Amino acid sequence: LAKTTQPISMDSYEGQEVNITCSHNNIATNDYITWYQQFPSQGPRFIIQGYKTKVTNEVASLFIPADRKSSTLSLPRVSLSDTAVYYCLVGGRGFQKLVFGTGTRLLVSP
Amino acid sequence: EAQVTQNPRYLITVTGKKLTVTCSQNMNHEYMSWYRQDPGLGLRQIYYSMNVEVTDKGDVPEGYKVSRKEKRNFPLILESPSPNQTSLYFCASSLGVRAGFEQYFGPGTRLTVT
Repeated sequence: LAKTTQPISMDSYEGQEVNITCSHNNIATNDYITWYQQFPSQGPRFIIQGYKTKVTNEVASLFIPADRKSSTLSLPRVSLSDTAVYYCLVGGRGFQKLVFGTGTRLLVSP
Repeated sequence: EAQVTQNPRYLITVTGKKLTVTCSQNMNHEYMSWYRQDPGLGLRQIYYSMNVEVTDKGDVPEGYKVSRKEKRNFPLILESPSPNQTSLYFCASSLGVRAGFEQYFGPGTRLTVT
């Protein structure tokens, strides 16, 4: 499984766009990139998944460059309720063991 | 409502007293998994199950057992709990390989072993 590296923490203000980058230099050809969000004392929640280029849903966008060695989760116009830990995972569709890193702690201030 | 349930939500026990944390999902998911979460260490996978009667070790299986006799249930068993198993535990499920990484997590069980 590809190892991922994310910033430990990020700060932002309400209404700003937040971009969290994840490095995964050893990503395999059949690996997908998935992001989760976790609030304190709650289980993680799936946000978005992608393989290449750009994926967008009602919550976020995921940008993946051509070499796929990194990816960027983009949260448009964050609010206080977006304060959470964000995890980047990499693995194949035939996944078995999942590895969550320590994630990125995002703090959104008024 | 589609969900993953865990019981109990909170448990305080003593060293060596066997306990079971139950996990149940009502989504007919093939894949189920247990994680523990500790400060500064993120989520670590304990065991996972690809389907009924199929289980395998995650990254931190020592001191835990699991079973998957029915598709909907995946209990976590601590035969002889120790203080280093004090943690927040999450159960998760997924459709399986068809759904990739989209897992649904339960509300968590906070276990304290004294």
